[in-house]
Order: sequence, then C-alpha cells, then structure tokens
Amino acid sequence: QQQVKQSPQSLIVQKGGISIINCAYENTAFDYFPWYQQFPGKGPALLIAIRPDVSEKKEGRFTISFNKSAKQFSLHIMDSQPGDSATYFCAARHGGTDKLIFGTGTRLQVFP
Amino acid sequence: EPEVTQTPSHQVTQMGQEVILRCVPISNHLYFYWYRQILGQKVEFLVSFYNNEISEKSEIFDDQFSVERPDGSNFTLKIRSTKLEDSAMYFCASVSQLTGELFFGEGSRLTVL
Repeated sequence: QQQVKQSPQSLIVQKGGISIINCAYENTAFDYFPWYQQFPGKGPALLIAIRPDVSEKKEGRFTISFNKSAKQFSLHIMDSQPGDSATYFCAARHGGTDKLIFGTGTRLQVFP
Repeated sequence: EPEVTQTPSHQVTQMGQEVILRCVPISNHLYFYWYRQILGQKVEFLVSFYNNEISEKSEIFDDQFSVERPDGSNFTLKIRSTKLEDSAMYFCASVSQLTGELFFGEGSRLTVL
C-alpha cells in the first residue's frame, strides 16, 4: 500500500519527441505527487508537483497528468532534448506524514 | 540560491567502523531528512527530524543509525558499525515551509569494504 510503481524502467526518445513516464499508487491517503530529476552524481531535484484536486499541471515542456480514480499519474516531456537525459523519479507523500515514497526511477535517454 | 551542502562527498570505510555524514540544511528550514539510494535503485526514506528530535523513521533506520543536530546548523547521520550493505549514496534534505518543496543535497557516497 505504501508503494509507488513506476514504468518504464528505461526510455529512449529522439530529440523533439514526447517522453512519457507513468506511476501508479494504492494508498488513497497520498496527497502530494512530485516528480524529481536526477543527473548522475547529483541529488534529486524537484521538477514539478501536483496535488490530487487538480487533473493536470503544466510547467514549460513538463506536464503532469493526474487520474485520481485510476490512482495513476504521469509525466510528459514535450519536445524532449538531449539535456533532459537523466533519471526521473515519481514520488508520493502520505497526508499524515512528511516522508516521500519514491518510485523505482526511469532512465531517460534523448538522442539527437 | 541557497542549497543543502553535504560532506564528505565520498567516504570509504572498513566494515565495523563508525561513520559520520554531515549536512548543512538551508537556513530557516525546520524539517530535515536523510534518504539513501543504493546504486541503481530508488531513493529510500531513512529518517525525518524536527525540533531536535526524530519525527519519523523507516525500518531501515535501526539501532546502528542515529541523527543529531549538534550546533544549530549541522545535521549529522551516524552509522555506528558499518555493514557492507550500508554502501549507498546518502542524501540530506530540508523542506521549505513556504512551498513544501524538499531540497536535496548532492549526497555523500559511502563505500564499505
């Protein structure tokens, strides 16, 4: 119930293409869903986040789509660039705690 | 831009030795965390700390682990007697009260031989 399932494990996209990463959860008490971007040798950095009262949030080329009834959320990266190549983690936070539960990560490679 | 800083960036130690990892959270942040990431795996919560005490800990955070805020700025993670399976990247993080965003440091890589 505390898990966040993430797919795919790895993703290869051509420059200019759309990258889509999916996550699913079971615990309906989760109330905050961030996406983190991690470059090799660096700590995770917050990319974009959403709360369950909103179905979509867009920031530049990054969009989160949130489906509360299906308990799924996804990250879309439009016009993917080689500089987007990194590992992406979805996460969720239980309303009653302050810890984040991370997904298993998706290694994105964008080729020119 | 303020950032969470961690030292050392890499530490190699022998099994059974004590290790202290240090963090300076962003000033005026009040909640602090340690997470760890075993190579190639997901980021896992270890412990959260508020008002000079542990507010939550995971099952990973057993008696071999302890945290401390010795002087009002540093936040440390101590592993009393390291095991091979403690080899991982350890990330310190702190939360902005304003935005709720979690800011991570660049991590301390621990290698236990």
